[in-house]
Amino acid sequence: SQTIHQWPATLVQPVGSPLSLECTVEGTSNPNLYWYRQAAGRGLQLLFYSVGIGQISSEVPQNLSASRPQDRQFILSSKKLLLSDSGFYLCAWSVDWGGRQYFGPGTRLTVT
Amino acid sequence: RKEVEQDPGPFNVPEGATVAFNCTYSNSASQSFFWYRQDCRKEPKLLMSVYSSGNEDGRFTAQLNRASQYISLLIRDSKLSDSATYLCVVNKVDAGGTSYGKLTFGQGTILTVHP
Repeated sequence: SQTIHQWPATLVQPVGSPLSLECTVEGTSNPNLYWYRQAAGRGLQLLFYSVGIGQISSEVPQNLSASRPQDRQFILSSKKLLLSDSGFYLCAWSVDWGGRQYFGPGTRLTVT
Repeated sequence: RKEVEQDPGPFNVPEGATVAFNCTYSNSASQSFFWYRQDCRKEPKLLMSVYSSGNEDGRFTAQLNRASQYISLLIRDSKLSDSATYLCVVNKVDAGGTSYGKLTFGQGTILTVHP
């Protein structure tokens, strides 16, 4: 069966520090991968998606970037965090474009 | 207009009650529709897909009206464990009609089932 991992589970970082969040998927090949952010009291916002190694599409301009160095690894990064980057970051995968997505446990980021 | 709009609630219902959630979406080109459930401080989990003919999964019934761009979820015989935020989700279609599996989430409707 497929599983998706995210780490760390929680993170507290000062403004201006770098960020690296990692997501890995097991049990499937060539998944579509997605990064979402959920700010406090708000809905999920799609940040990036990837249909293959090295293929990254950004949905909204922001202070973040994404990379996919391996088929089942998706990384979210920032060079300098802003207060507004605080939120719940969720990675998701799907096997097709039909829309059924499966989420990882998420990383709760607080920028201080 | 928001791409996906839901009544945020909260809905507070007793066990055994029937509760209905509504959702509207703005992009008539959308082709896939879902209800996800999110427990407090947890990741969303797929509850069910929504089909044009309507579909049922145990106590849950989903309906889609493409003409009105309206989606609904009915929960019968509510259980304490149904307490969660219910997210209406629609696939995001670009100008060329491609989705790439991208989803647009509603803000969610909070449900609390009490004894």
